[in-house]
Amino acid sequence: DAKTTQPTSMDCAEGRAANLPCNHSTISGNEYVYWYRQIHSQGPQYIIHGLKNNETNEMASLIITEDRKSSTLILPHATLRDTAVYYCIVRVAGNAGNMLTFGGGTRLMVKP
Amino acid sequence: EADIYQTPRYLVIGTGKKITLECSQTMGHDKMYWYQQDPGMELHLIHYSYGVNSTEKGDLSSESTVSRIRTEHFPLTLESARPSHTSQYLCASSFGGGANEKLFFGSGTQLSVL
Repeated sequence: DAKTTQPTSMDCAEGRAANLPCNHSTISGNEYVYWYRQIHSQGPQYIIHGLKNNETNEMASLIITEDRKSSTLILPHATLRDTAVYYCIVRVAGNAGNMLTFGGGTRLMVKP
Repeated sequence: EADIYQTPRYLVIGTGKKITLECSQTMGHDKMYWYQQDPGMELHLIHYSYGVNSTEKGDLSSESTVSRIRTEHFPLTLESARPSHTSQYLCASSFGGGANEKLFFGSGTQLSVL
């Protein structure tokens, strides 16, 4: 599975959009981009995933560049409850065990 | 919301004790996982199971063992706890395969070995 690079931490004002970047320059054509988040003292929670088209659900939007070497997770109106560590993961769908490798992630702090 | 439960939520125990961390899910998921996470650090996969009677070791070597006798139950056991086992243990489950497969995590067990 391709390696990802994320900023260690970011701040965002409450009510503003939080844009979390992720670089995955070695991604291959059959690898998907997944985002999870982990709120303090809880297990990670799935947010969204995509292959090459932009995706949106009730939690967030995922923008993937045309060359697929990077992506951005967008929380359109961040709230204090969005303070968490956000993990960007790339993997081949259906690979052995479908195991996810969680890196360091980005620690997002939403401030009042 | 996912229905995956871990007990106990917190456990403080002395060195040398045998412990079992419980993980149960009511979703009928075939795949289950155990991750270990130290404070502020990455999650590391230590065990996983594709189904009943199937268990495999993960990327991080662990002295713990697991069993999968029933689909819904995936307990983790430490025969003799040591202070180096102090960590958070997270259980997860998933089903099916392909791109839409998602992991559902429990709230974790925070283990402290004195």
